[in-house]
Amino acid sequence: EIVLTQSPGTLSLSPGERATLSCRASQSVSSSYLAWYQQKPGQAPRLLIYDASRRATGIPDRFSGSGSGTDFTLTISRLEPEDFAVYYCQQYGSSPRTFGQGTKVEIK
Amino acid sequence: QVQLVESGGGLVKPGGSLRLSCAVSGFTFSDYYMSWIRQAPGKGLEWVSYISSSSSYTNYADSVKGRFTISRDNAKNSLYLQMNSLRAEDTAVYYCARDRGNWDSDWDYWGQGTLVTVSS
Repeated sequence: EIVLTQSPGTLSLSPGERATLSCRASQSVSSSYLAWYQQKPGQAPRLLIYDASRRATGIPDRFSGSGSGTDFTLTISRLEPEDFAVYYCQQYGSSPRTFGQGTKVEIK
Repeated sequence: QVQLVESGGGLVKPGGSLRLSCAVSGFTFSDYYMSWIRQAPGKGLEWVSYISSSSSYTNYADSVKGRFTISRDNAKNSLYLQMNSLRAEDTAVYYCARDRGNWDSDWDYWGQGTLVTVSS
């Protein structure tokens, strides 16, 4: 099973700042089959990025994903008030599909 | 628009059973693999099970294998999760979600979740 480790655990930033979230895999994720989700309190996760760098339908272009192999990054270019949430990475290159433990982006 | 609505959660004693349902609308249900994913209170996400579009293939996390059964009724646009021999560690919000692709994939639409609490 591929273990995903996200860092940092919490990111304290101000609106308008750039957020960089990391996701490291215990082994290479085949074909860059990695996704990112946003989850707000009391809500279901929302797909942001799939295939490491493709934005899902309706996702603003301030969200971008990059990486391959074992190292992946989610970047939010300029934080909007609605972006403060928990973000999870997820790999689907091998079974079972696994998630990282999450990074909380909080208002500084 | 795409909608997934879970139901059937509640309080159940250890060793008990519960059946979750997920009613789907807004897309051709029979074209998509579907999954259940859970989230224990204050914790992260865990994939539980998936089923292929025609029910030919199913897969389960080791933590639920032999206790949970996923099924679907394409005529009713519904997904199910039969949960038996429930344990305290099964306490979680259970989400149904649409697999974006076939086999292992990410999930592009999620329901709002239903809470399952296993406690005496």
